[in-house]
Amino acid sequence: DVKVTQSSRYLVKRTGEKVFLECVQDMDHENMFWYRQDPGLGLRLIYFSYDVKMKEKGDIPEGYSVSREKKERFSLILESASTNQTSMYLCASSLSDRERQPQHFGDGTRLSIL
Amino acid sequence: AQKITQTQPGMFVQEKEAVTLDCTYDTSDPSYGLFWYKQPSSGEMIFLIYQGSYDQQNATEGRYSLNFQKARKSANLVISASQLGDSAMYFCAMREGRRYSTLTFGKGTMLLVSP
Repeated sequence: DVKVTQSSRYLVKRTGEKVFLECVQDMDHENMFWYRQDPGLGLRLIYFSYDVKMKEKGDIPEGYSVSREKKERFSLILESASTNQTSMYLCASSLSDRERQPQHFGDGTRLSIL
Repeated sequence: AQKITQTQPGMFVQEKEAVTLDCTYDTSDPSYGLFWYKQPSSGEMIFLIYQGSYDQQNATEGRYSLNFQKARKSANLVISASQLGDSAMYFCAMREGRRYSTLTFGKGTMLLVSP
C-alpha cells in the first residue's frame, strides 16, 4: 500500500513566521503535489514536482515555495505566513506521468496562522 | 472556465439505497482520465474509481460504478447499497492526456447517509 506521510496533522503558527510542511512517500513515486483545500473552493494546486530538484507552479503558488532534494520528500514552505494561508494542506504522490495513475494523498495538515 | 462541475453541494440518502453523484467536465483533449475521491471528516482523500476516455466499458469497483456518458461529458458516480460509512465529501477530478498535466478537482458533494 502507498503511504504518504505528512509531518503534522495540526499546526499553529504566527503571522510572519517561516513555516515548513513536510511530506514523505514510501513508494518511489516520481510525482509529488501540494494542494490547499478551503470550504467551497475544493482542492487547489500550489506546486508540483515531476523529479528531484524539479518544481512547477500550480494554480496558486503566490506566498509559497517548495523543495525536493530527495525523491521521497517534498516540502512546502510558507516564506512569511499570513492569516489568509490558514487552510488544510494536502500532499499527494503518483507513480508516473500516465493518465491512469491516481494520486495518493496524505492525511492532511490543518494549519492555523494567528 | 471551470473544468469540473459538481452541481450538488449536498445529497441525502437512506441506508441501503443507491445514490448518484453528478460530475460534468470540460476538455478539448481527446485523451483524459476521470477520478473520484472520497474524503471522510477525518480529512484523508481516498481514491475510489477511475475512468479513461478511451475505456469501452463503464468502470466498476465494488459498490462504486461510473455512469460515463462521453457525448454529454458526464461521469456520475453511483454508490449502490449505501452504508453509514459512506457519509463523506466526494470529489470528481480530471486529468488531461498531455504530458505533465495535473488533476483538476470539482468543488465536491457532501453525502449524508441516514439510518
